[in-house]
Amino acid sequence: QKEVEQDPGPLSVPEGAIVSLNCTYSNSAFQYFMWYRQYSRKGPELLMYTYSSGNKEDGRFTAQVDKSSKYISLFIRDSQPSDSATYLCAMSAWGNQAGTALIFGKGTTLSVSS
Amino acid sequence: KAGVTQTPRYLIKTRGQQVTLSCSPISGHRSVSWYQQTPGQGLQFLFEYFSETQRNKGNFPGRFSGRQFSNSRSEMNVSTLELGDSALYLCASSLGDRSQETQYFGPGTRLLVL
Repeated sequence: QKEVEQDPGPLSVPEGAIVSLNCTYSNSAFQYFMWYRQYSRKGPELLMYTYSSGNKEDGRFTAQVDKSSKYISLFIRDSQPSDSATYLCAMSAWGNQAGTALIFGKGTTLSVSS
Repeated sequence: KAGVTQTPRYLIKTRGQQVTLSCSPISGHRSVSWYQQTPGQGLQFLFEYFSETQRNKGNFPGRFSGRQFSNSRSEMNVSTLELGDSALYLCASSLGDRSQETQYFGPGTRLLVL
């Protein structure tokens, strides 16, 4: 079992739809959770950063972390064609004894049609 | 503030050769991490450098090495290239103080090994 599992999609939605992207993980030491967006032939761009469990909202994006279920989600409201990209979840167990390595899911490819 | 820069952006090499990739972090960032991205394996952590010292290392063979200079710029070297080393190599920088380790990625160097 991989440490982080993410459905690769592709996921196709019409403009204006609500998109739900998810990852599950197995390492209970993970405390920091991130979502990155990667456009074709570009580096990943940080979208959301969450520490421990809970929700975080930023504009049209909402990140949720449920540590008890080892499950994280990213919701995109009012999706736009410009949201078409690959979305990567990433997580880490930072601390003096842990490294700063980010462990990534394989990414979900999202296509929003106008 | 300028982002993370990587040079060169594209490289073509043949099996057995070696290659050196360069990364300049965001000004003030002291930590540089390197990742390999392939369609099959996704993003995988190679190593992290902080204050010219390797602080963390992923599960890659010794052919992959790196170093960091006093100005925080980092280089990654791959010796005896194999076909499977063809990938997008990404570098990410962060403050490095482990208070909030948000990592910012560069555009990557796309390496093709023939």
